[in-house]
Amino acid sequence: DTAVSQTPKYLVTQMGNDKSIKCEQNLGHDTMYWYKQDSKKFLKIMFSYNNKELIINETVPNRFSPKSPDKAHLNLHINSLELGDSAVYFCASSQVAGGNYEQYFGPGTRLTVT
Amino acid sequence: SQQGEEDPQALSIQEGENATMNCSYKTSINNLQWYRQNSGRGLVHLILIRSNEREKHSGRLRVTLDTSKKSSSLLITASRAADTASYFCATDKGSSNTGKLIFGQGTTLQVKP
Repeated sequence: DTAVSQTPKYLVTQMGNDKSIKCEQNLGHDTMYWYKQDSKKFLKIMFSYNNKELIINETVPNRFSPKSPDKAHLNLHINSLELGDSAVYFCASSQVAGGNYEQYFGPGTRLTVT
Repeated sequence: SQQGEEDPQALSIQEGENATMNCSYKTSINNLQWYRQNSGRGLVHLILIRSNEREKHSGRLRVTLDTSKKSSSLLITASRAADTASYFCATDKGSSNTGKLIFGQGTTLQVKP
């Protein structure tokens, strides 16, 4: 069984559109994360939720809005997509929120904005 | 700003050789983790070392941590073609209660059969 799953795996869309990426974990973890990996493989935290509560909110355009309906799901909605949003977006989870816990990553969603 | 920097950015070795990757960071930490990323896949956790530890082993992996130099190294012994991947260090930047990790830029390792 897949521990952390994301849909879709690939997303190609035009500038100005709105899109969502879904993430689910079946590990029973309390904490979930969204990361953005750019073309140079630089990985940056965007958001984190702990038991449906937002605990990390990095300097991200407010066009990006995370939503956690329950602790097993963390979705990412992006409004008015721009060319610079093209990247691979990774969802991850950890047992609890803490730097001493390993994070489990999903397979990534490659977003291409044309 | 980026916390970790890894060196080298790319490394190419023959199967059976050892591979050493280095990571430097800027601020104090509580924990440092290493992750592997195969091409087109998500990251996989390899090993975690705490700030009061100096060395840790896991199978063919050996991680060292020198907090006085703010650096860590990952050694893969007897490398295999399957070890070909990008390797990232990640630190918690001293604030370990949120799970926020700052990743280095990664080392791309190619192991030639």
